[in-house]
Amino acid sequence: NAGVTQTPKFRVLKTGQSMTLLCAQDMNHEYMYWYRQDPGMGLRLIHYSVGEGTTAKGEVPDGYNVSRLKKQNFLLGLESAAPSQTSVYFCASSSKTSRYEQYFGPGTRLTVT
Amino acid sequence: KNQVEQSPQSLIILEGKNCTLQCNYTVSPFSNLRWYKQDTGRGPVSLTIMTFSENTKSNGRYTATLDADTKQSSLHITASQLSDSASYICVVSAGTKNRDDKIIFGKGTRLHILP
Repeated sequence: NAGVTQTPKFRVLKTGQSMTLLCAQDMNHEYMYWYRQDPGMGLRLIHYSVGEGTTAKGEVPDGYNVSRLKKQNFLLGLESAAPSQTSVYFCASSSKTSRYEQYFGPGTRLTVT
Repeated sequence: KNQVEQSPQSLIILEGKNCTLQCNYTVSPFSNLRWYKQDTGRGPVSLTIMTFSENTKSNGRYTATLDADTKQSSLHITASQLSDSASYICVVSAGTKNRDDKIIFGKGTRLHILP
């Protein structure tokens, strides 16, 4: 039981490049979330999903897209990276019956130059 | 506006000492309050979760209290250890039933334990 895993752990992009962050969970959770964490700020919700094939916008969705093709995976895409997207990205998951009990992945540190 | 304010921003104490971290919130309608521990370079890990009817909850040397009337919570750490050095994040959830449930994160308190 690995919990929530994220790949990659680190990435450096140039402005305008694209990339996809992968989140996987093996707890059969219905809900999955993508957050970003910046210095001096609390975690902010980018997008979330309440089930396979469904996604919804969070607090800061601009510049990101997501997909939930399989229940265990939640992908976060950056189509054209900008320096403002330099951040640490965390994925989390929770069950439908205890949706506020979130389990977090180890994070992906992304730098956009 | 839904907000979660934590204090202090950072705290330094000696190993073995106790400390208390504070969390004030203005989230409505209140559903639950959680404390997370986040080690440097890692994701947050849940310490406690408290609902409206709970005043105190313990997890080992961590004890969380909740005063729903004053909208305040505290996390008390007893006999601190070097491994307690981390950020502690207060998270409050709004108790809506639709898909726009609100989960509001505080900015965290950075705790440093000195040997």
